[in-house]
Amino acid sequence: KQEVTQIPAALSVPEGENLVLNCSFTDSAIYNLQWFRQDPGKGLTSLLLIQSSQREQTSGRLNASLDKSSGRSTLYIAASQPGDSATYLCAVPGGTSGSRLTFGEGTQLTVNP
Amino acid sequence: EAEVAQSPRYKITEKSQAVAFWCDPISGHATLYWYRQILGQGPELLVQFQDESVVDDSQLPKDRFSAERLKGVDSTLKIQPAELGDSAMYLCASSPGGAYGYTFGSGTRLTVV
Repeated sequence: KQEVTQIPAALSVPEGENLVLNCSFTDSAIYNLQWFRQDPGKGLTSLLLIQSSQREQTSGRLNASLDKSSGRSTLYIAASQPGDSATYLCAVPGGTSGSRLTFGEGTQLTVNP
Repeated sequence: EAEVAQSPRYKITEKSQAVAFWCDPISGHATLYWYRQILGQGPELLVQFQDESVVDDSQLPKDRFSAERLKGVDSTLKIQPAELGDSAMYLCASSPGGAYGYTFGSGTRLTVV
């Protein structure tokens, strides 16, 4: 059974800092990994989708890397802003159907002005 | 940009009452998912549809939950009777295929009193 762990559970940083969020998964037989952002009381917004054949994916100030062999992914946020405050979730497909997403419990990020 | 539509956004219901949620996926997305997210945790799959067929409902409490996607387009998730422990965010997602990632709706926040 796939298990996804995110570290740290919570992170508070001053505005402008670069930061790294970590995600690890137990079954490396994945075909992609997706990072999401969730604002309080809202749904999930997709940030980045990394295919298993890729090592990293970039969007603006966000960069996600994937190392399948070690079962790890990182989300790098450059020059953090207060608007980046949210919970960040990583998810990998798996399960009996082959596509059910398994999520970590998220990292709650607070960027202080 | 295409969105997954969900309604209602919020629902307060009394214990033992029936409640229903609606989801309209992105046009052309054959796969539709219902997830439940308890506060502070990652979402967990309740049911997955491929067109109008259920392909994974192993985590759905079938004694009180039901889901349908009659024409393979929009979907309804029902709880009857609702229990206090059902208070959570109910998220709908759709995908054209797992390799292309998943798009989530804004969710329905259910409070059972």
